[in-house]
Amino acid sequence: DAKTTQPPSMDCAEGRAANLPCNHSTISGNEYVYWYRQIHSQGPQYIIHGLKNNETNEMASLIITEDRKSSTLILPHATLRDTAVYYCIAPVYGGSQGNLIFGKGTKLSVKP
Amino acid sequence: EAGVTQSPTHLIKTRGQQATLRCSPISGHTSVYWYQQALGLGLQFLLWYDEGEERNRGNFPPRFSGRQFPNYSSELNVNALELEDSALYLCASSLVWGSTETQYFGPGTRLLVL
Repeated sequence: DAKTTQPPSMDCAEGRAANLPCNHSTISGNEYVYWYRQIHSQGPQYIIHGLKNNETNEMASLIITEDRKSSTLILPHATLRDTAVYYCIAPVYGGSQGNLIFGKGTKLSVKP
Repeated sequence: EAGVTQSPTHLIKTRGQQATLRCSPISGHTSVYWYQQALGLGLQFLLWYDEGEERNRGNFPPRFSGRQFPNYSSELNVNALELEDSALYLCASSLVWGSTETQYFGPGTRLLVL
């Protein structure tokens, strides 16, 4: 089972920041937090990952709380193309090496 | 840099037949992973190959099998197809294996079993 909790759905106005929360209270100290998204019927797209420090790349920012029990993915200026299911995955490999455990994710709808 | 590629994009089979799906990882990646996403369901881990060896498999029956070739490309075989095998099959690759290695996904093969 996925060890993350995400809201099932969120709406965001185009051009505004989208803040997607994730709880991962059972994560251990050396396990990363990864974010992927899946646009309808396509393969999941890697967005960003982090361990302790906040991370930023050309797609998004990742804010991880100091206790590492939760994180927030921030899309600074959401566009209609950002409408997708966003998955927070932590720990990356679960109880077995090699596989990602995808939960249900958050369906983000960006509206004009 | 080319991403993960999969073929065919769509595949239609009938019950009892066999399906073969192919995956080419990103150049330089040695680990290949297969996932199944049935309609309305989440991604389920199927198989993981690294350096030509099967390293782990998910909770799927033995009729799901595969292999990894010396060039690190991979093949997923599904024997004795059942209707519930209809799904999007996704392949991912990573540079090496490990919890810090990002998996990059291909576009998937959509299998329809009639």
